[in-house]
Formats: sequence, C-alpha cells, structure tokens
Amino acid sequence: GAVVSQHPSWVICKSGTSVKIECRSLDFQATTMFWYRQFPKQSLMLMATSNEGSKATYEQGVEKDKFLINHASLTLSTLTVTSAHPEDSSFYICSAYLLGSLYEQYFGPGTRLTVT
Amino acid sequence: GDSVTQMEGPVTLSEEAFLTINCTYTATGYPSLFWYVQYPGEGLQLLLKATKADDKGSNKGFEATYRKETTSFHLEKGSVQVSDSAVYFCALSGTGTASKLTFGTGTRLQVTL
Repeated sequence: GAVVSQHPSWVICKSGTSVKIECRSLDFQATTMFWYRQFPKQSLMLMATSNEGSKATYEQGVEKDKFLINHASLTLSTLTVTSAHPEDSSFYICSAYLLGSLYEQYFGPGTRLTVT
Repeated sequence: GDSVTQMEGPVTLSEEAFLTINCTYTATGYPSLFWYVQYPGEGLQLLLKATKADDKGSNKGFEATYRKETTSFHLEKGSVQVSDSAVYFCALSGTGTASKLTFGTGTRLQVTL
C-alpha cells in the first residue's frame, strides 16, 4: 500500500529557532499533501494544503509566515516552523493524496515538536 | 461549515463485547464519510469509507452505514479484541476530489481481557 514517511519523528528545539519537518510519499506521487496539527486528546486540525509546484493554501487563522510550506517535488513536502515558541509544541501530521484515488489520503506517522 | 461530532471517550470494553461509536455530521451537499484508526505511536490509517447514502463500509469486522436521513455514520463491531485498542476518528470529505478532511475529536477505545 501507499506509504508516507515523516522526518524527524520527534524534535526538541529552543525558542526562537526554526525547525523543518519533511513529508515523503515513498511509493507514489502526490500532487497534493496536507499538513495537520494535533493537540493532546484533540482532533486533527488542517493547517494547509500543499500542491506541487505552487504556493500552499492556508486555513484561516494559520500564519503562513510562521509555518512555511514547500512542495518542491511530487514526493516531498516540507513544513518549516519559523521562530518557534513553546505554544508551537504539538504533533504535526502530513497526509498525501494519491493521484487517481478519488477520496483517499495516506497519513504519515507524525512528528512531535517540543519547543523549550 | 462542515463539522463532525463524535461521542466522547474513552470507551472501555471487555474483549468480545459489542462496540458502537456514534458519529454525526453537518455538511452541505453529499460528503464522503470515513473512519480512521490511530494505533499507539502510529499514523492514521483508513479503516473504512462510504461515498453515498445507504452505502455500508466494512473492514476488519468493523462496519458503518451512511445514513443521510439521520446524518450519521456510526461505527460498529460485533466482537472487539484487545488489538482493537486505538483512537478512532470519524471524518468527512466535501463534494469533489482531493477535498480536505474534517475530523471529529476522536474516541479512544480500550479493550481489556
């Protein structure tokens, strides 16, 4: 089946620094990837939709200058949390939309970000 | 806007018990409905889906029927196992392809021996 990986699986950084999270579709091409944020014991909240070769579409309330998304190829999207603060600590999950599949998104295992 | 409401957990059941996790939705048009499962330490996996009214999705003994009249998509399993312990998310996708998913808050299921 379609596999999506994320790297790193967890990261600890100091306040004010930037962190990059990678999302890769390992065995298929993904023209569209989604980035979610999950708070403890809460649901996934869509942050942005990433389309290969174009600018990401951010959901209302998500700071695009803080959460930089780049989808440079059909198998890789990156999320960079810039000038991270403790309130950015969360679980970040990406998913990839399988080209030709009408409805199915494949999810990565997530990245735990802790900002100290 | 679209929304999904799930019963709050955690749900604790003994092995072989019957499981129901309620899910209702609000959406315009004719959404597709999904159940995702998240096992400890893993990413979300699609459990089952239904794309039109009266469709029944099923997988691994789990079932859910798309009920447009009650805007519901309740998840059921006749006999749960310890290995079913996980968090279950109900979700919907709006009309159209590659549409973004709207998730419910998730329901944690704990199955004990």
